[in-house]
Amino acid sequence: NAGVTQTPKFQVLKTGQSMTLQCAQDMNHEYMSWYRQDPGMGLRLIHYSVGAGITDQGEVPNGYNVSRSTTEDFPLRLLSAAPSQTSVYFCASSYRGSSYNSPLHFGNGTRLTVT
Amino acid sequence: AQSVTQLGSHVSVSEGALVLLRCNYSSSVPPYLFWYVQYPNQGLQLLLKYTTGATLVKGINGFEAEFKKSETSFHLTKPSAHMSDAAEYFCAVTPVNSGGYQKVTFGTGTKLQVIP
Repeated sequence: NAGVTQTPKFQVLKTGQSMTLQCAQDMNHEYMSWYRQDPGMGLRLIHYSVGAGITDQGEVPNGYNVSRSTTEDFPLRLLSAAPSQTSVYFCASSYRGSSYNSPLHFGNGTRLTVT
Repeated sequence: AQSVTQLGSHVSVSEGALVLLRCNYSSSVPPYLFWYVQYPNQGLQLLLKYTTGATLVKGINGFEAEFKKSETSFHLTKPSAHMSDAAEYFCAVTPVNSGGYQKVTFGTGTKLQVIP
């Protein structure tokens, strides 16, 4: 059981380049989300999805795009990388349930540096 | 809007000493409460959660947390620290009525150092 798988683990981009961070889960979770982690700021929600075909913005969505064509996959696209997007990115998934208290399952992260 | 405050970005304890990591939330209705742990170069994993019922919650690796509504707190404790407990710990909350999505708010994290 792989859980949540993120690729790549590390990436270096030049300002203005675009790229896609991949995320896949094999737990049949309805919810998937992307967070960025910066020192002293905890985790901040970028985008989330409550099911295939449904996405919405989180707290810091600017400069990022998402889509969800299947239950398993939730890629994050950086449209034109900026140094401010240097961060560690985490994908997380959870079971929906009826009480919204299911824990999040995290991938191991992608460390992105934009020069 | 809900918020989470973790007092102390860094906490150092001696091996065998009590671990106490503080978390306070701010919301009009008590939310669901979680503690996650992050080991170096890994994602977060669930330590424990409080939803309803008993206010003292036991988690993995000997950790526990107590929900105190009057103090709006959910502090994490462990009676005796082990070297393997060195990690970053995050408190998180989800409102009971999320409006269709589990809106999780994380604290800024506390790095625990265990001194041999």
